[in-house]
Amino acid sequence: DTGVSQNPRHKITKRGQNVTFRCDPISEHNRLYWYRQTLGQGPEFLTYFQNEAQLEKSRLLSDRFSAERPKGSFSTLEIQRTEQGDSAMYLCASSLGVGLSYEQYFGPGTRLTVT
Amino acid sequence: TQLLEQSPQFLSIQEGENLTVYCNSSSVFSSLQWYRQEPGEGPVLLVTVVTGGEVKKLKRLTFQFGDARKDSSLHITAAQPGDTGLYLCAGGGADGLTFGKGTHLIIQP
Repeated sequence: DTGVSQNPRHKITKRGQNVTFRCDPISEHNRLYWYRQTLGQGPEFLTYFQNEAQLEKSRLLSDRFSAERPKGSFSTLEIQRTEQGDSAMYLCASSLGVGLSYEQYFGPGTRLTVT
Repeated sequence: TQLLEQSPQFLSIQEGENLTVYCNSSSVFSSLQWYRQEPGEGPVLLVTVVTGGEVKKLKRLTFQFGDARKDSSLHITAAQPGDTGLYLCAGGGADGLTFGKGTHLIIQP
């Protein structure tokens, strides 16, 4: 039984570069969520997918951010023209999305540092 | 906007003591989740409470959901160093969770 996995675990990039993160959800889960967590804060919701459809985006998700889930399985989150303010932990979570099974299970996160 | 306030923000106690941390909101939530997070890792789900007044126990941890479904508490009995971590409450459901800032708990041996 594998949980949610994220790659890479750590990413250091220079300001202005593009970065892409990957999330593999629990296999039978059809909902996938992205969150961002900065130091001293709880995770903040960015966006989520029901299968391959992106259903909601937070206003935190600027035009430089794009997320995809092309086949309803894994998802990618791309940040273009990174800024120092993008430095954070990016968390992915998945859920069954049925009845009371909206419980979300998180991956280990990708720590992004923009220099 | 639904906000969750957690208190205390920091708590450091000796092994064997009991403690309670709180999660409060002015909004009604259909459910609340409690997570525990260690440095550099993602949050790990501890429990989900759904019904007002509900009490759930997980070994030495007792979770309570307020009658009005606006608040929740986590009580730890005989705390152990392994309980050290960031305890987060989160509300909401299918459309994404709203998290509090968490309680940083340190249990000193």
